[in-house]
Amino acid sequence: AQSVTQLDSQVPVFEEAPVELRCNYSSSVSVYLFWYVQYPNQGLQLLLKYLSGSTLVKGINGFEAEFNKSQTSFHLRKPSVHISDTAEYFCAVSFTSGTYKYIFGTGTRLKVLA
Amino acid sequence: ETGVTQSPTHLIKTRGQQVTLRCSSQSGHNTVSWYQQALGQGPQFIFQYYREEENGRGNFPPRFSGLQFPNYSSELNVNALELDDSALYLCASSYGPASGYTFGSGTRLTVV
Repeated sequence: AQSVTQLDSQVPVFEEAPVELRCNYSSSVSVYLFWYVQYPNQGLQLLLKYLSGSTLVKGINGFEAEFNKSQTSFHLRKPSVHISDTAEYFCAVSFTSGTYKYIFGTGTRLKVLA
Repeated sequence: ETGVTQSPTHLIKTRGQQVTLRCSSQSGHNTVSWYQQALGQGPQFIFQYYREEENGRGNFPPRFSGLQFPNYSSELNVNALELDDSALYLCASSYGPASGYTFGSGTRLTVV
């Protein structure tokens, strides 16, 4: 069975500081990996995805993530955060075919402080 | 791109009632999935439809049912509502596993 663990439920960080949101997954088969952002009272917006190839993936809004197969991790990073990055961030995995449902982590609330 | 649109945005129902939520997929997407997101939790997979057929289901009881129409729009129906059904219901569409899903803004269902 697949599972996703986001170890940090909340991450406070000062504006313009770097941030890393951690995601670890467990799966016996190949998966695709995704990060989504959810602003209050809104749906989820795709930040970036890893399908194959280069392990460093760049996404929107200056975010990037690195896939580490040996550590089964897919951590999200941003070198300098803004107040507007305050939101809930979800890591997800999916099968690569068939019923490619998402298995989501429980989310990390990023709070950027002025 | 028109994105994924859901209606209504908010809904209040009484326990035991039935509800229908609607979703219009993004143009060109033939797969739609529904997720339930309880407060403070990650979304949980309810089911997926591909070309009008259900092709995957999560751990939800049969009173959760759905439809996908020829234009790839979709409905989620919930019968015999329970208080624990109160949640944000998200619809997402896709044209393949590598593309990722595009999510709607959700329907906030409150059961009283």
